[in-house]
Amino acid sequence: AQSVTQLGSHVSVSEGALVLLRCNYSSSVPPYLFWYVQYPNQGLQLLLKYTSAATLVKGINGFEAEFKKSETSFHLTKPSAHMSDAAEYFCAVNPSGAGSYQLTFGKGTKLSVIP
Amino acid sequence: GAGVSQSPRYKVAKRGQDVALRCDPISGHVSLFWYQQALGQGPEFLTYFQNEAQLDKSGLPSDRFFAERPEGSVSTLKIQRTQQEDSAVYLCASSLVRLSAGGVYNEQFFGPGTRLTVL
Repeated sequence: AQSVTQLGSHVSVSEGALVLLRCNYSSSVPPYLFWYVQYPNQGLQLLLKYTSAATLVKGINGFEAEFKKSETSFHLTKPSAHMSDAAEYFCAVNPSGAGSYQLTFGKGTKLSVIP
Repeated sequence: GAGVSQSPRYKVAKRGQDVALRCDPISGHVSLFWYQQALGQGPEFLTYFQNEAQLDKSGLPSDRFFAERPEGSVSTLKIQRTQQEDSAVYLCASSLVRLSAGGVYNEQFFGPGTRLTVL
């Protein structure tokens, strides 16, 4: 079984400040990890993914995340927040291995960017 | 270059009414998923199809929920005798199987969702 915990349901940052959204996971097998972004009234868009290659993963819109096995974490960061980053962000885990397909999501973190 | 589409985008139903939600996956995607996203929550898995076969329906909350994909393309999620607790956004995703250093994984592409409100 796998689960995802996102610390902080709401995060506010000033425009130009560092964005840090936290995600911790549990998984009985090595995981694949994903960050999705959801803008109001839209579906989920994949930001980046970790699939057992490099532990530092770069995604779209300047976001990146680092897989830390010892901490069971996959935190999302961006050096400088932009107003257009205001959205809800979801971390998800998918167990690796043949036949695995189900994504388990965290509850989401709503990011507000203050001008 | 169309993505996953869903219709209707919004549905208001009276309690007890039956509803049908449609998903058009990306052409050629073998796998199709339905998720339910309650207000303020992350999406939760409902069911999974590989082509026309429903391989996993463990997430369907009750026997009022039924999904089908008869020709391995378009899928319909049907909810019978809707209840207020069924109010949620229903997301559909289709998937390619990708190879990675660790094995294979599903890269899921999501539609915009159908927001169902049951009065």
